[in-house]
Amino acid sequence: QKEVEQNSGPLSVPEGAIASLNCTYSDRGSQSFFWYRQYSGKSPELIMSIYSNGDKEDGRFTAQLNKASQYVSLLIRDSQPSDSATYLCAVGYNFNKFYFGSGTKLNVKP
Amino acid sequence: ETGVTQSPTHLIKTRGQQVTLRCSSQSGHNTVSWYQQALGQGPQFIFQYYREEENGRGNFPPRFSGLQFPNYSSELNVNALELDDSALYLCASSLGLTEQYFGPGTRLTVT
Repeated sequence: QKEVEQNSGPLSVPEGAIASLNCTYSDRGSQSFFWYRQYSGKSPELIMSIYSNGDKEDGRFTAQLNKASQYVSLLIRDSQPSDSATYLCAVGYNFNKFYFGSGTKLNVKP
Repeated sequence: ETGVTQSPTHLIKTRGQQVTLRCSSQSGHNTVSWYQQALGQGPQFIFQYYREEENGRGNFPPRFSGLQFPNYSSELNVNALELDDSALYLCASSLGLTEQYFGPGTRLTVT
């Protein structure tokens, strides 16, 4: 069974701070990595995808991938109360199987 | 909005019954994946359809089956419903085997 682990939180940060979300995965053959945001009662919304080691930036979001350590992270700069949600890490294997973590709940306090 | 639609929004079934859930993929997308999400958990991968063929499957029993049609819309069928099948069922579409975009989901309750 391929595992994707996330700290369930809640992670609380003040408005304007950097939120750091982490994810580890068990399968070294994993090839694609994604971060989704899910508001309560809604479906997941894609934030970032990353396929190679290093950093990928998109606006206030930066995804970081380290395949040697089997670790992927998401940084949210200038956190806003509207960023309060559950963040799901997803890992793709063979590009035809996808495994999600249970998510980290983020609270951004005004 | 992702352009992925699902129907119905909510559904209540009795244990032992069969259910069919439907998904229309985003325009231009040829791949559909189905997920089951229990309360407080991440989505669990059921299977993926790529160009009308099942292309990958998670750890779900054969009573979970699916179809993809020539227009790339898809159905998820669940036979012999069990109480534990109560969950949010999510459909995600993609172009090929990359970023997936989710529909709003179908909430299934089995009593």
